[in-house]
Amino acid sequence: GAGVSQTPSNKVTEKGKYVELRCDPISGHTALYWYRQSLGQGPEFLIYFQGTGAADDSGLPNDRFFAVRPEGSVSTLKIQRTERGDSAVYLCASSYSGVGANVLTFGAGSRLTVL
Amino acid sequence: EDKVVQSPLSLVVHEGDTVTLNCSYEVTNFRSLLWYKQEKKAPTFLFMLTSSGIEKKSGRLSSILDKKELFSILNITATQTGDSAVYLCAEETSYDKVIFGPGTSLSVIP
Repeated sequence: GAGVSQTPSNKVTEKGKYVELRCDPISGHTALYWYRQSLGQGPEFLIYFQGTGAADDSGLPNDRFFAVRPEGSVSTLKIQRTERGDSAVYLCASSYSGVGANVLTFGAGSRLTVL
Repeated sequence: EDKVVQSPLSLVVHEGDTVTLNCSYEVTNFRSLLWYKQEKKAPTFLFMLTSSGIEKKSGRLSSILDKKELFSILNITATQTGDSAVYLCAEETSYDKVIFGPGTSLSVIP
C-alpha cells in the first residue's frame, strides 16, 4: 500500500480482555517495528521483525504481549489479559533493511484504552 | 544499554525565534542518528545523520552530529506556529534496532 495502515484506530476494552492490533506495512518493506507511546513520552520499542521472524523482542514488557508476522507482511500485536497500564498508542513502522536504510515510516497508530 | 536523552523536554518560544534542541545518546553499536517530527499522530522523518560534523539542512531546519561527544542538535530558525510539535531523536543500532528519546515538545506562539 501507499502507507503504513493500522487498525483499529481506536480500541476501548475492559480489563482482562484480549485485544489484537493489526499493522499493514508498505509493500516491499522487510522490516517492521512495534512501539508503544504513552502521553508525553517518546515511542517505546517493543519488537522488531525482519521478514517473518522477530529479530528483537526485548521490548515486550511481559508474556501477555506477543506479536506475529506469519507471511512477512501484515503483523498482529496481541495483548492478553489487558491491564489499565496497557493503555497507550501503539505505533507500527516499516522500512527497508540494511545500512542507512532504517528511515521508518509510521502508521497513524492504534489508541488502546483499557477501562 | 542503549539510551537516548533529549533536552529540553519542553520549550515555548515566540514566532521568529531560533531554537536549538539537544540529543545525546549512549550506544554500543551506533549506526545513525535520526530526527522525527510528531504533530498529531505518526512521527515523520526529518534527518538521518551518520557522519560527524556534516550539517544536514532542509529549509529552516538543520542538524549536525558529534560522534566523539555522542550528541546531536536540531536547529530551527525563524520559527513559525506550524513548527509546534514534538521533536523526537532516535538512535539506529548496527543490528537495526531504533530507540527513541522522550522528545522535546516545542510550542511556537504568535
